[in-house]
Amino acid sequence: GENVEQHPSTLSVQEGDSAVIKCTYSDSASNYFPWYKQELGKRPQLIIDIRSNVGEKKDQRIAVTLNKTAKHFSLHITETQPEDSAVYFCACGGGSNYKLTFGKGTLLTVNP
Amino acid sequence: ETGVTQTPRHLVMGMTNKKSLKCEQHLGHNAMYWYKQSAKKPLELMFVYNFKEQTENNSVPSRFSPECPNSSHLFLHLHTLQPEDSALYLCASSQGPLANTGELFFGEGSRLTVL
Repeated sequence: GENVEQHPSTLSVQEGDSAVIKCTYSDSASNYFPWYKQELGKRPQLIIDIRSNVGEKKDQRIAVTLNKTAKHFSLHITETQPEDSAVYFCACGGGSNYKLTFGKGTLLTVNP
Repeated sequence: ETGVTQTPRHLVMGMTNKKSLKCEQHLGHNAMYWYKQSAKKPLELMFVYNFKEQTENNSVPSRFSPECPNSSHLFLHLHTLQPEDSALYLCASSQGPLANTGELFFGEGSRLTVL
C-alpha cells in the first residue's frame, strides 16, 4: 500500500518568513495530493490540492509543488501570519477510489 | 454551521461498555467515512461508505462496527474496547471519489477515552 513520509514534524518560524513542508510517497499510481490544515481543537480542512497533470498550484500565500518523477510534493506558505499556526497534513490518493493516505503531520508555529 | 455534525463530542467508557458515535452530513454527499486520529500518528482510515454500501474496511477490529442507514447518517458502534482505542474519531463526507471530486469535509470529532 501507499506510504507517505512528511517532514519536518515541527516547524517554528517568525511572522513574515516562509515555511516549507515536504512529503514523499511510494505509490507511483497516486495522482491526487491534498493538504489539510487542522487548528488546535478543530477539524481538518482542505487548504489546497494538486493533481498529477500539473506541477505547481498557487492560491494567494500558499502554493504546492509536485515532482512525480521523484515522488515528492511540498507545501509553501509565504508571509506567514500567527493564524497560520496549526498542524498541516499532506495526503495521497489515486484512481476512482475513496482512500487517502495521510502523513503524520507538521506542527507549524508562527511567532509574532 | 459545519456541514458534518458528530455526537457526542466527548465520551468516556469502560472496557465492557457498549456505546455509539453518530455522524450526520447536510451536504448532500454520497460518501461517508470514519477516521481515527491518535497523537503522533497519521489519520487512519477505518471505513468508507458510498451510497450506503461499505467500500473500504481498513482491517479494523470487530469491536468497531459501522452502520450506514442512508447517505446522510453514519454510526460507529463500540463494544469491548481497549485503552489503546482512546483517540479522536473523525467522521467525514465527500461528493464522490476523492481524486475526481476532491475535498473531504470533516466533522469536529468525537473524543473517546476508554478506561
